[in-house]
Amino acid sequence: DIWVTQSPDSLAVSLGERATINCKSSQSVLSSANNKNFLGWYQQKPGQPPKLLIYWASTRESGVPDRFSGSGSGTDFTLTIRSLQAEDVAVYYCQQYYSVPYTFGQGTKLEIK
Amino acid sequence: EVQLVESGGGLVQPGGSLRLSCAASGFIISDYWIQWVRQAPGKGLVWVSGINADGSDTRYGDFVKGRFTISRDNSKNTAYLQLNSLRADDTAVYYCARDFLYRGWGRGTLVTVSS
Repeated sequence: DIWVTQSPDSLAVSLGERATINCKSSQSVLSSANNKNFLGWYQQKPGQPPKLLIYWASTRESGVPDRFSGSGSGTDFTLTIRSLQAEDVAVYYCQQYYSVPYTFGQGTKLEIK
Repeated sequence: EVQLVESGGGLVQPGGSLRLSCAASGFIISDYWIQWVRQAPGKGLVWVSGINADGSDTRYGDFVKGRFTISRDNSKNTAYLQLNSLRADDTAVYYCARDFLYRGWGRGTLVTVSS
């Protein structure tokens, strides 16, 4: 199995500042077949289902504000929220869908400082 | 509007069974993978199972161990997750999601396993 670990577990950032969440997989999730990283990022607000933010590690889903960006390749990935807004308070998860079982990270709780 | 609605959850005794449904509207389910993900109370997300567009490819998490079966009826625009031999640690909200990339989620259905 591929293990996925996020850091930090929680994060407090001031409004308008940058938030950075890291995700590390125990094996590479980069496919040599299509040169894509099989990694996604999701946002879950309290009482709501998760929402896809980023797929293929760096492609922003339609309708997601451009302050959200994903980067990285292989085993190390980052979700960056440029200029944090109040509505960004949520738990963020990364997930690898390279190989079964498709494992999620443990989540990072993002709060306002 | 793309919508997924889960149903079929409830309270069940250990060892019991439930069949969860994921009804799609606003799109043709036969064009998409459907995934099931669960979330125990206060915990993180856990991938449970996935099925490809025509039902020929099914995948499961390690913890399923033959207890759950994913299926779909494209003529009804619905996917299913049959849960058997339920245990207390299967208690969770079960979500279905559209597409291999999880582009669209339902609001979930709560399964509680308790005597």
